[in-house]
Amino acid sequence: GQQVMQIPQYQHVQEGEDFTTYCNSSTTLSNIQWYKQRPGGHPVFLIQLVKSGEVKKQKRLTFQFGEAKKNSSLHITATQTTDVGTYFCAGRSRDYKLSFGAGTTVTVRA
Amino acid sequence: SQTIHQWPATLVQPVGSPLSLECTVEGTSNPNLYWYRQAAGRGLQLLFYSIGIDQISSEVPQNLSASRPQDRQFILSSKKLLLSDSGFYLCAWSEAGAADTQYFGPGTRLTVL
Repeated sequence: GQQVMQIPQYQHVQEGEDFTTYCNSSTTLSNIQWYKQRPGGHPVFLIQLVKSGEVKKQKRLTFQFGEAKKNSSLHITATQTTDVGTYFCAGRSRDYKLSFGAGTTVTVRA
Repeated sequence: SQTIHQWPATLVQPVGSPLSLECTVEGTSNPNLYWYRQAAGRGLQLLFYSIGIDQISSEVPQNLSASRPQDRQFILSSKKLLLSDSGFYLCAWSEAGAADTQYFGPGTRLTVL
């Protein structure tokens, strides 16, 4: 079945620095979504990418969907303490389910 | 607007006891409904999903079951809890049809002792 892998599992970032988390699928995806889960909270939808090579920005967050629609990345610039949490990617192939990656848990050093 | 409710928020149960977690969605019709489990510090494991009343698909073999007695009600149950059932249980919904954006409930934190 479809598998979605995320790296790194943990990301420790100095406040103000940039970082990137990556998501790779074993199969071609119809779309990919990103969610953020704050500590103690539930996942919240951030964005969906549909087109090959698509790039979307939300303030300091840049999301990219690969040309082959099998990988994606999330790049955060000038990390702030509000960026703390776990970021999940989730890919949809053809049916009613999303396959979630294991997530990248981000901690920020002030 | 749509809202999703889960209860209880936290639950401590002894091994071997039954379980019933409830999820309801308001403001939409015929949603897709999902149950996920998240072990401490881990990712989301899809347990069940439903595209309609009494239409339940199970993703992993386990001692849990799910039911959808009404269009916007999704229940997760167990007859006898195991220690390994501890975790954070999340209900989610998406619009009918393709599984696009999923909206998660606040979750139930279950501890089995």
